[in-house]
Amino acid sequence: KNQVEQSPQSLIILEGKNCTLQCNYTVSPFSNLRWYKQDTGRGPVSLTIMTFSENTKSNGRYTATLDADTKQSSLHITASQLSDSASYICVVLREAAGNKLTFGGGTRVLVKP
Amino acid sequence: DTGVSQDPRHKITKRGQNVTFRCDPISEHNRLYWYRQTLGQGPEFLTYFQNEAQLEKSRLLSDRFSAERPKGSFSTLEIQRTEQGDSAMYLCASRDAGGVMGTEAFFGQGTRLTVV
Repeated sequence: KNQVEQSPQSLIILEGKNCTLQCNYTVSPFSNLRWYKQDTGRGPVSLTIMTFSENTKSNGRYTATLDADTKQSSLHITASQLSDSASYICVVLREAAGNKLTFGGGTRVLVKP
Repeated sequence: DTGVSQDPRHKITKRGQNVTFRCDPISEHNRLYWYRQTLGQGPEFLTYFQNEAQLEKSRLLSDRFSAERPKGSFSTLEIQRTEQGDSAMYLCASRDAGGVMGTEAFFGQGTRLTVV
């Protein structure tokens, strides 16, 4: 079954601290993996997109890693800010009929001052 | 604004009524997707179009749901005889599926449906 699992479901961190979110997937055949940030009541906004040949990609204070062998990805947030409070969703594009985006359940991050 | 736009942003309807949502994708994007998202969950795939052709429908899309993209541009999602369980955020996304990897998928702001 093509699935994307994220952990933790939620976390609370203090402003200025770092955190790492995890994503495991069983989607096959794999095309690429994306991390999205979704503010409450808004649509998801792309942070990074990685193909199977890319191990890491950064976007400002966000750094995503990918291990296509173990089918794991992580999103690291450095020096968190209050505006980082959001849901972070891991999304895998399946290279098959439909090229459907398969979403994880998201990790809800709350940054406290 | 050249992003994906959805209308309306919010819709409150009585159970049993029909509702229709509209999505205007980024103009050069040939793929258009509809997703449903309930509170605290990730989006769930409903259906997608390649130009005007509806290529896949999720089992979540019961016979009360219908989607169209008549001219390969904007799309509509209609829910007939709404039920309280239909209350959710309905997200539309578009992307250009051409090229080796295609491009990024861009999402609209969503339509939040509340069935009372």
